[in-house]
Amino acid sequence: DADVTQTPRNRITKTGKRIMLECSQTKGHDRMYWYRQDPGLGLRLIYYSFDVKDINKGEISDGYSVSRQAQAKFSLSLESAIPNQTALYFCATSETDRGYGYTFGSGTRLTVV
Amino acid sequence: QKEVEQNSGPLSVPEGAIASLNCTYSDRGSQSFFWYRQYSGKSPELIMSIYSNGDKEDGRFTAQLNKASQYVSLLIRDSQPSDSATYLCAVNRRNNRLAFGKGNQVVVIP
Repeated sequence: DADVTQTPRNRITKTGKRIMLECSQTKGHDRMYWYRQDPGLGLRLIYYSFDVKDINKGEISDGYSVSRQAQAKFSLSLESAIPNQTALYFCATSETDRGYGYTFGSGTRLTVV
Repeated sequence: QKEVEQNSGPLSVPEGAIASLNCTYSDRGSQSFFWYRQYSGKSPELIMSIYSNGDKEDGRFTAQLNKASQYVSLLIRDSQPSDSATYLCAVNRRNNRLAFGKGNQVVVIP
């Protein structure tokens, strides 16, 4: 099983619908992140969490919300999806020690029509 | 100034040649530096990490760090078609989050 699992892998949804992307990890890391990736724009941080009680906005949090249900679970919600939220979404985890890089999930390809 | 810059456009190299990628960063307090490989439609995969000035070699990959000049580079020796991917530079900043460059695409021509 993958260390960082994202569900669903692909999703097509309609404008205005609420959608949740889920991330779970078995690495025992405290830190979890949500990124979106668009062609030419690279990885952009949406939200991050350094522990269960700590949630922080990233560069592009508008239109998104998150929930850290447990150390191992971090969900991203789009309350009312819009077409420019069509992107590849990645969850990542990391050790507390900043000497370590991130481990990424396999991604969710979201299309809003 | 962007936190992490990877300015080179797509890089085409013949199979067996050396691919050279460069990255500059703005935060002088950064201590940890990483290179990720990302195949199209897939997630980034950590391939190299470097923390001290100088070179670090791992197989066909060599990472080079110069903190005084604030740059990190990646060399891929004996390039193979399987090395065709986008390579992301990442820098761990003082706020303990990674900043990513936009990536450089490498195409290895058989």
